[in-house]
Amino acid sequence: DTGVSQNPRHKITKRGQNVTFRCDPISEHNRLYWYRQTLGQGPEFLTYFQNEAQLEKSRLLSDRFSAERPKGSFSTLEIQRTEQGDSAMYLCASSPPAGGSYEQYFGPGTRLTVT
Amino acid sequence: GENVEQHPSTLSVQEGDSAVIKCTYSDSASNYFPWYKQELGKRPQLIIDIRSNVGEKKDQRIAVTLNKTAKHFSLHITETQPEDSAVYFCAAPYYNDYKLSFGAGTTVTVRA
Repeated sequence: DTGVSQNPRHKITKRGQNVTFRCDPISEHNRLYWYRQTLGQGPEFLTYFQNEAQLEKSRLLSDRFSAERPKGSFSTLEIQRTEQGDSAMYLCASSPPAGGSYEQYFGPGTRLTVT
Repeated sequence: GENVEQHPSTLSVQEGDSAVIKCTYSDSASNYFPWYKQELGKRPQLIIDIRSNVGEKKDQRIAVTLNKTAKHFSLHITETQPEDSAVYFCAAPYYNDYKLSFGAGTTVTVRA
């Protein structure tokens, strides 16, 4: 499968625990995005990378959230001290190198449930 | 940031009929407008997109139209089939950036 992959697909955790998700973009895609989707809503932008540089973080992303993309390949999204309000689907997307290319291709997502 | 509004929130059509979903956006600098289809429990899938330099684009039974003056764009599905049942999202870039702002989605149900 040459599409965007995410692991784990599901995560159940207790409030206050830390969780980490991984995203592997499509090979040679230099831009990588994280979105959060709650039931009945469209994806909401969280942060994005161009190569290894994190270019922007949404105001939705509190200090408990951190994302990395070492070496410009895979990315991780960590949530510290999880809260019930963090329960959502976390989606990753990637885009080919610029030059007018805006297409974003999504992974299957990681569904987080905080109990 | 970019504000994208999508209507209707639900749409039920008879198989073979057409379905139309409309979105409006706020940032006049936006120049790229994708549509995603998301089936239950699956990833959003890019089905068609349009750039601001064209007014219409077609791909088999789906088409997208863009009115930059009015700042709205629409998805048209003709000859609907049961497999078209899904949630459809429109999106537009924030301030001509690469990140996307999504509409709230339209749940399309095709009745056999």
